[in-house]
Amino acid sequence: NAGVTQTPKFRILKIGQSMTLQCTQDMNHNYMYWYRQDPGMGLKLIYYSVGAGITDKGEVPNGYNVSRSTTEDFPLRLELAAPSQTSVYFCASTGHPNTGELFFGEGSRLTVL
Amino acid sequence: GNSVTQMEGPVTLSEEAFLTINCTYTATGYPSLFWYVQYPGEGLQLLLKATKADDKGSNKGFEATYRKETTSFHLEKGSVQVSDSAVYFCALNTHVNAGGTSYGKLTFGQGTILTVHP
Repeated sequence: NAGVTQTPKFRILKIGQSMTLQCTQDMNHNYMYWYRQDPGMGLKLIYYSVGAGITDKGEVPNGYNVSRSTTEDFPLRLELAAPSQTSVYFCASTGHPNTGELFFGEGSRLTVL
Repeated sequence: GNSVTQMEGPVTLSEEAFLTINCTYTATGYPSLFWYVQYPGEGLQLLLKATKADDKGSNKGFEATYRKETTSFHLEKGSVQVSDSAVYFCALNTHVNAGGTSYGKLTFGQGTILTVHP
């Protein structure tokens, strides 16, 4: 049972570099989310998508971009990495957003030096 | 805006001890309330939920009751095990309409680290 799969699990970037965090789900969920988790701060919503071709900003979108060309995939792009983007990133999905039950990937730990 | 406040950790207990992790919230309307658990090296997973006042959510020996009068949703377990060592997140869910789209928005607390020793 794959569920939500994120890659890579770990990555170290230099300031100014770009990268894409990949997220794919096999549950045919329309709703997908990217969160970042900082120590002692809980999870903050970066971007979300309510279906293929539809994305919108969450609480902390600056420095990130997303796309949703298919139901399965929701990549997160960092264009010019900054130390403030050092964090653990989680992708999540749900078929029923009003239930509050999200299915999370295992996370991607990103360090920007 | 909506917010969730959890008791600060870390919490360290011996096996079979009683666990309480406090959670209070601020929200407009009538949110649903959740506890998520994150085991080491894994993503978050739903532990239990309650959708209206006085509801009790339960799972794996954990319980939490939705208290509207005190805006609280404290997590309890009567006898913890080493395998319960994890980070626990309290969260609330509200429905948001924004820019022509709508989505269920989860607001998380900061998380409480629980370590259980044999």
